Amino acid sequence: GESVGLHLPTLSVQEGDNSIINCAYSNSASDYFIWYKQESGKGPQFIIDIRSNMDKRQGQRVTVLLNKTVKHLSLQIAATQPGDSAVYFCAELGSNDYKLSFGAGTTVTVRA
Amino acid sequence: GAVVSQHPSWVICKSGTSVKIECRSLDFQATTMFWYRQFPKQSLMLMATSNEGSKATYEQGVEKDKFLINHASLTLSTLTVTSAHPEDSSFYICSARSLAGASDTQYFGPGTRLTVL
Repeated sequence: GESVGLHLPTLSVQEGDNSIINCAYSNSASDYFIWYKQESGKGPQFIIDIRSNMDKRQGQRVTVLLNKTVKHLSLQIAATQPGDSAVYFCAELGSNDYKLSFGAGTTVTVRA
Repeated sequence: GAVVSQHPSWVICKSGTSVKIECRSLDFQATTMFWYRQFPKQSLMLMATSNEGSKATYEQGVEKDKFLINHASLTLSTLTVTSAHPEDSSFYICSARSLAGASDTQYFGPGTRLTVL
């Protein structure tokens, strides 16, 4: 079946260090992935996306890597800041119905 | 741009009553809106897809008679939780898919916290 999931439920990182959040997917036909950040009591906030014809995409302090061979997605946050503390979700967009399937989420806590 | 609002942001109601939650796209038109439910420390689960001018489609296990969806215009969708019970207490989030630009993009609302006593 189709599923999008995260490897680690929690991540504690020292302020200024880099963070890496991982995600696995099972549908090899998936062609569009998105990372969202959700702060407590708020809706998901778009961070970055990537299509299956790319291996890497960079934004401001964030990089998404896609490894189609092992069906793995990762989000890298450079120089993690206290404001980066949140739950991060990967999501996969259905190609026919535009439905988003969310992974379980990784809680990132930044230590001062 | 691309702002989605929800109203109310939180609501407390008695068991057995109905609650209506509004989702609005403020600066764009959306043919499709999605409703999600999120329980504490869990992920977002899609409940239904709301299409303007047509009936909503519900995900498996979601009762359509309990969660009434009306997509009255290209900027407004409502979710009514009928005869609410404590187990319906959750965080309800909507998203809207824009007509313009990249159709893959969905914009999320800030969520509505429902507590049923």
